[in-house]
Amino acid sequence: GAGVSQSPSNKVTEKGKDVELRCDPISGHTALYWYRQSLGQGLEFLIYFQGNSAPDKSGLPSDRFSAERTGGSVSTLTIQRTQQEDSAVYLCASSKNRPMNTEAFFGQGTRLTVV
Amino acid sequence: AQTVTQSQPEMSVQEAETVTLSCTYDTSESDYYLFWYKQPPSRQMILVIRQEAYKQQNATENRFSVNFQKAAKSFSLKISDSQLGDAAMYFCAYRSRDTDKLIFGTGTRLQVFP
Repeated sequence: GAGVSQSPSNKVTEKGKDVELRCDPISGHTALYWYRQSLGQGLEFLIYFQGNSAPDKSGLPSDRFSAERTGGSVSTLTIQRTQQEDSAVYLCASSKNRPMNTEAFFGQGTRLTVV
Repeated sequence: AQTVTQSQPEMSVQEAETVTLSCTYDTSESDYYLFWYKQPPSRQMILVIRQEAYKQQNATENRFSVNFQKAAKSFSLKISDSQLGDAAMYFCAYRSRDTDKLIFGTGTRLQVFP
């Protein structure tokens, strides 16, 4: 596609429910990143993928969070048993691996609200 | 582990004036990449400028320039002739050459006054 696409744009869910957030990166981009941005805050690193593997999952806040990427393309971030503190904007970005100074392109994010 | 620090939560500047946003980082790597991103209220992150660590020359993009001090691990952004459209959150980012990981600072909110 022309850019990084994230869906849904907004999601309101009840506490305790599971949610899935989707990221469709730019075609050909092997690196894919997930970040969380709480209201007015910076970007908190969650996980990144190289192809289908995730070399660094250190940012996932708890075992309720998981992510996968299939076919070196679409990625899904799953949050189980959502809590109110999970409310935030979840941003996805993708980039080429080479050259290394290639910028990361971001999606518009998914605003998650847990009520 | 690498870290990126932006010590100025908020900055303000008068239109047409110059403002400098600070960024420091910590790394044991010798080769890496640094970026400044802008996030307007629309939430869309936009690349402002990039710098390769092995290049001594400071990057420049029109009204935007950086002061890259590798020994001090400092990467500040200077915005000249500030415009109302420059008002946004600005994030400094580090990309590791070894791991590909891309990490961000906490951001600086820039206000531009007419």
